[in-house]
Amino acid sequence: KAGVTQTPRYLIKTRGQQVTLSCSPISGHRSVSWYQQTPGQGLQFLFEYFSETQRNKGNFPGRFSGRQFSNSRSEMNVSTLELGDSALYLCASSFRPDRDYEQYFGPGTRLTVT
Amino acid sequence: TQLLEQSPQFLSIQEGENLTVYCNSSSVFSSLQWYRQEPGEGPVLLVTVVTGGEVKKLKRLTFQFGDARKDSSLHITAAQPGDTGLYLCAGAQGGGSNYKLTFGKGTLLTVNP
Repeated sequence: KAGVTQTPRYLIKTRGQQVTLSCSPISGHRSVSWYQQTPGQGLQFLFEYFSETQRNKGNFPGRFSGRQFSNSRSEMNVSTLELGDSALYLCASSFRPDRDYEQYFGPGTRLTVT
Repeated sequence: TQLLEQSPQFLSIQEGENLTVYCNSSSVFSSLQWYRQEPGEGPVLLVTVVTGGEVKKLKRLTFQFGDARKDSSLHITAAQPGDTGLYLCAGAQGGGSNYKLTFGKGTLLTVNP
């Protein structure tokens, strides 16, 4: 079956703009997690959605938001972009958020803020 | 403060050498996962260890979970260029609606031919 897909793969924005990233999970998976990956901080958890509800949220400012649709597809939005938001944004899907279910990552969206 | 510390941060070796990378924490985890991430791709799960002291082998890769479930190691025998990548460990805590996965910063391994 098809893997996790993320669009777009690359994005260049300027400071102050906003951006929306999309993630389509593996068919049948209802849990989607978002992560920010930078060389300095590594993989940091943003938030997780399960059955359209935000279940967990990491320590990121309110400029970072997300949502999940009834078909389990998820979007994350970053408003008022800052240079420090430049990163690889990864989403991962699993059947449900539990240690018994493997998490599959997408290839990521590389966001560059200038 | 990083919950999971991975060492070394960078490792460059020659093909055929053996290596060990470490994942350490002061926290107890219900399970620990190891991932490999190649350039331009997302992390791919290699193994999950659940029981303290557990050892799992995946071809030339050997994973061990510490007895106290606070640390783990990954040993690669006779490394090959195809092993090049970022190795990430992730610790799981809680269960059900409280399930949470925390990642280390990773060890970037380069195997030179």
